[in-house]
Amino acid sequence: DVKVTQSSRYLVKRTGEKVFLECVQDMDHENMFWYRQDPGLGLRLIYFSYDVKMKEKGDIPEGYSVSREKKERFSLILESASTNQTSMYLCASLQGTAYTGELFFGEGSRLTVL
Amino acid sequence: GENVEQHPSTLSVQEGDSAVIKCTYSDSASNYFPWYKQELGKRPQLIIDIRSNVGEKKDQRIAVTLNKTAKHFSLHITETQPEDSAVYFCAANLSGGYNKLIFGAGTRLAVHP
Repeated sequence: DVKVTQSSRYLVKRTGEKVFLECVQDMDHENMFWYRQDPGLGLRLIYFSYDVKMKEKGDIPEGYSVSREKKERFSLILESASTNQTSMYLCASLQGTAYTGELFFGEGSRLTVL
Repeated sequence: GENVEQHPSTLSVQEGDSAVIKCTYSDSASNYFPWYKQELGKRPQLIIDIRSNVGEKKDQRIAVTLNKTAKHFSLHITETQPEDSAVYFCAANLSGGYNKLIFGAGTRLAVHP
């Protein structure tokens, strides 16, 4: 069974703080993703990575950066948190390709920025 | 940019009725269309998918249809049950060399006993 683990389920941060969201998958998948989930807006892609140290911007990368130093770990970084980044963040790992495979999601990290 | 539009945003049905959720996509090169179900407080999970070489796929009470000409695909749930209550997301893969999926905004389905 594929397991995608997000280290923090709930976080409360202050405006301007640096925030790290960690995600680990245990199935040796090459492709990993960070999505942001907001009511009425669905799942919006922030960044994705197709290999170690490789990353690509998604649809809403502004205010975020990512790090993939090891294949199993994909981190999302908010350099200076703002209130409009209050949201649910979902990490996902892709088995196969976007034509053949399935996305496995973590349980989500709910971030509140005060 | 490319997008996926999903309708309706909310859907309320009586137990035993059918439910239909519709999506349209903009990337004419998309060839894979999965549907994910997210129960309250849980992670999204794949429930069914369809590829561009078929027009319909069925799995027990759920089915998906695809009209490539119209760039339109739909999820059909028959004989709905309370446990079908969830948010459903459609998605489409994007051309361009990367393994990317773009999601619709989601449909909140409520099945009333």
